[in-house]
Amino acid sequence: DQQVKQNSPSLSVQEGRISILNCDYTNSMFDYFLWYKKYPAEGPTFLISISSIKDKNEDGRFTVFLNKSAKHLSLHIVPSQPGDSAVYFCAASEGRNTPLVFGKGTRLSVIA
Amino acid sequence: DSGVTQTPKHLITATGQRVTLRCSPRSGDLSVYWYQQSLDQGLQFLIQYYNGEERAKGNILERFSAQQFPDLHSELNLSSLELGDSALYFCASSQSGRVDEQYFGPGTRLTVT
Repeated sequence: DQQVKQNSPSLSVQEGRISILNCDYTNSMFDYFLWYKKYPAEGPTFLISISSIKDKNEDGRFTVFLNKSAKHLSLHIVPSQPGDSAVYFCAASEGRNTPLVFGKGTRLSVIA
Repeated sequence: DSGVTQTPKHLITATGQRVTLRCSPRSGDLSVYWYQQSLDQGLQFLIQYYNGEERAKGNILERFSAQQFPDLHSELNLSSLELGDSALYFCASSQSGRVDEQYFGPGTRLTVT
């Protein structure tokens, strides 16, 4: 029973274009959502988060959108850069102090 | 560099054996989390400690155990190892226990043969 799903294992985008990574969840108790980025041989690093009281959060080139009725969130990267090539994990929790549930990740390749 | 250290980086062992993975959190962080990432799987939360006490438990097998010591480092013990235990094991730490403040270590790759 996978509560957080990232249905696209991989995504290729041209440098300078928009990257859109998607994530769906099934647990309606989730109210806090995060994106992590992972390079090979390193641990995941926190990228951006959003709580359920918002529908959008921006941080520089990164924007996360939350659609609670659809139980769907997405991460937009604009413009995409070659250094953004990594595996991106979506994660959710029932609060900021409860354990995270991760998706399986999407491998983003940004082509120069 | 996140400031979280994990040793060893790689571990190869045989089925039925027991291993110990070690994690040193960032200076000042009181909470330690352990995650398992199997092939083609997302990170699965195993267990969390806060200042020496168990705070939350995930899908951790009975063959696995963990503890956090007074100096705040943590160890994850895996026993009666099976082929399916081959995975990346990540440790993360946070100061207050908030999930958005987690910093991950580089992981220990365990291979069971």
